[in-house]
Amino acid sequence: NAGVTQTPKFRVLKTGQSMTLLCAQDMNHEYMYWYRQDPGMGLRLIHYSVGEGTTAKGEVPDGYNVSRLKKQNFLLGLESAAPSQTSVYFCASSYPGGTRTGEAFFGQGTRLTVV
Amino acid sequence: AQKITQTQPGMFVQEKEAVTLDCTYDTSDPSYGLFWYKQPSSGEMIFLIYQGSYDQQNATEGRYSLNFQKARKSANLVISASQLGDSAMYFCAMRVYSGGYNKLIFGAGTRLAVHP
Repeated sequence: NAGVTQTPKFRVLKTGQSMTLLCAQDMNHEYMYWYRQDPGMGLRLIHYSVGEGTTAKGEVPDGYNVSRLKKQNFLLGLESAAPSQTSVYFCASSYPGGTRTGEAFFGQGTRLTVV
Repeated sequence: AQKITQTQPGMFVQEKEAVTLDCTYDTSDPSYGLFWYKQPSSGEMIFLIYQGSYDQQNATEGRYSLNFQKARKSANLVISASQLGDSAMYFCAMRVYSGGYNKLIFGAGTRLAVHP
């Protein structure tokens, strides 16, 4: 059981380049999230999705786009990378429930450096 | 505004002693959930414990307990009998209802160091 898988694990981009981070989950979860983690700031929500074909903005959506064409996949795109987007990116998924089933399961993270 | 605040950037504790990591939250919704996650140096996020806003009793999971004080809007994590393997970042998180959907927001984290 793979859980939540992120691809790639590491990436170095030049300023202005574009890239897509892929998140795949095999738990049939409705909700999926993209976070970025920066020192001293915890995890900040970029975008999230409550089901196939739906997306919503989180706390820090600027410079990112997302798509959820299939329930199991959630893609995060950077159209024109900037050094400020250097961070560790985490994908997570969960049931929408009002109990512990709202617990988020995380991928292993993607370390992105923009030079 | 919906917010999670962790005021302790770093904490240290002697092995075998107990430690409390602070978490306060702000939400106007009557229904919410509170989570604690552990992030060791390897980077993965590990779920530790959950408390629902309507739960009457404080949650416990092995050596972890959550000191839930609803009126004070605090959800502190207590780790009893600390072990060297408890050294990690700890994040408090809250499931909130916003824009018609639930979402999960995190605090800035507390780095715990357990000394032998």
